[in-house]
This record gives sequence, structure tokens and C-alpha cells, in this order.
Amino acid sequence: DVVMTQSPLSLPVTLGQPASISCRSSQSLVYSDGNTYLNWFHQRPGQSPRRLIYKISNRDSGVPDRFSGSGSGTDFTLKISRVEAEDVGVYYCMQVTYWPYTFGQGTNLDIK
Amino acid sequence: EVQLVESGGGLVQPGGSLRLSCAASGFTFSNYWMNWVRQAPGKGLEWVANIKQDGSETKYVDSVKGRFTVSRDNANNLLSLQMNSLRAEDTAVYYCARGYQYWGQGTLVIVSS
Repeated sequence: DVVMTQSPLSLPVTLGQPASISCRSSQSLVYSDGNTYLNWFHQRPGQSPRRLIYKISNRDSGVPDRFSGSGSGTDFTLKISRVEAEDVGVYYCMQVTYWPYTFGQGTNLDIK
Repeated sequence: EVQLVESGGGLVQPGGSLRLSCAASGFTFSNYWMNWVRQAPGKGLEWVANIKQDGSETKYVDSVKGRFTVSRDNANNLLSLQMNSLRAEDTAVYYCARGYQYWGQGTLVIVSS
């Protein structure tokens, strides 16, 4: 199985400051069609996950442009340009290139 | 508006069975792969299973293979997960999801004596 490793696991951030989460996969996530199927999700306490980013860097509709995704191969990053109060919660990366699909452990973002 | 509503969760004894359902609306259900993802209390997300648009192909995580069966009824826009031989480690909130963009609110399954 592809192992997804996130860092840090805990991320205290001051409001208005940037934040960055790393996600590394145990093998390249480039599929045979040339696409890289790496998603990012945000989950607030008591809520269902919400997908933010798909295929490394494509924002879902309604996702603020302060969220951005980047990376390639095995190394990926989610960046928040200026953290707002509503951004607290757990962030997960997920690969959907190989069966079984796998998630990272999650990164808990809170406000300092 | 896309809506996914899970039901069927509850308390079950180890070794027992439970059938989860996910009622879909607001989109053409038969056009999409559908997924089940679970989350144990206080833990991260785990992909469980999915099913192709016409039901001809299914995939499972190893830990549920042979015990869980995913199925769908395209005429009634219904996704199901039949869970047999349940174990304590199957305790989780179970979400159905369409393509990972749309998720239901989840249904809680507790396996305990």
C-alpha cells in the first residue's frame, strides 16, 4: 500500500499568518495517464471532510484562493496564504492513484 | 444540490451484521463511482470500498475484504454497504462520498458487547 506521511502533525498558527503542510508518498503518484491523483481535505470538528484540492493543485468550487496546492511525484504541499479562524481543523492528503486509496495521518491546525 | 444521506448505523455485537445505506439525490447517481470512507473515534480517515457506475466493479481495503459488500441500486439512487462478521475495530463513522467532492454526514457504527 502507498503510505502517505504528513508533517507537521500539529500546526499552531497566528491569525493572518501563512501555513504550510507537507505530504509525502512512499511511491510516485503519477498515474499511467500522466495525471497525479493527490487530494487535500479539511475537516472541522464534528463535520464531514471537505475536499479543497484535487490533482495536486486544482481548487474545488467555493474554496478560497488563499488555499493552494503544489508538488509532484512524491512530495506535495498545501499552503494557506493567510490563516483565518474558519481554517481550524484537521487537514488530510489522500492519494487516489493506487488501490487501496490511502490518507495521510492528518495535520491539526489551530490558532495560537 | 447534491445530497448524500447515510443511515443504518447503530450498536452491534462482535460477529454481528449491519447494513448501511446512502440515499443520493441532486445528481445522476448512475454516472458516478461511489465510495465508503470511515473514521474511527478520534482517528483519521480510512477508505473502505467503492463501486463502479454500473456495479460491475468493486474494490475493498484488505481489512474488510470477505466481510463487507458494497452494492448499488441505480433505479432508486441508493448505495449500500453490507457489513458481516463485525469486529471492534470496525467501530467508526461511515461516510458515503461521490468522487470525494461530496460527502454525507456519516452514520456511526459501534461494535461492542
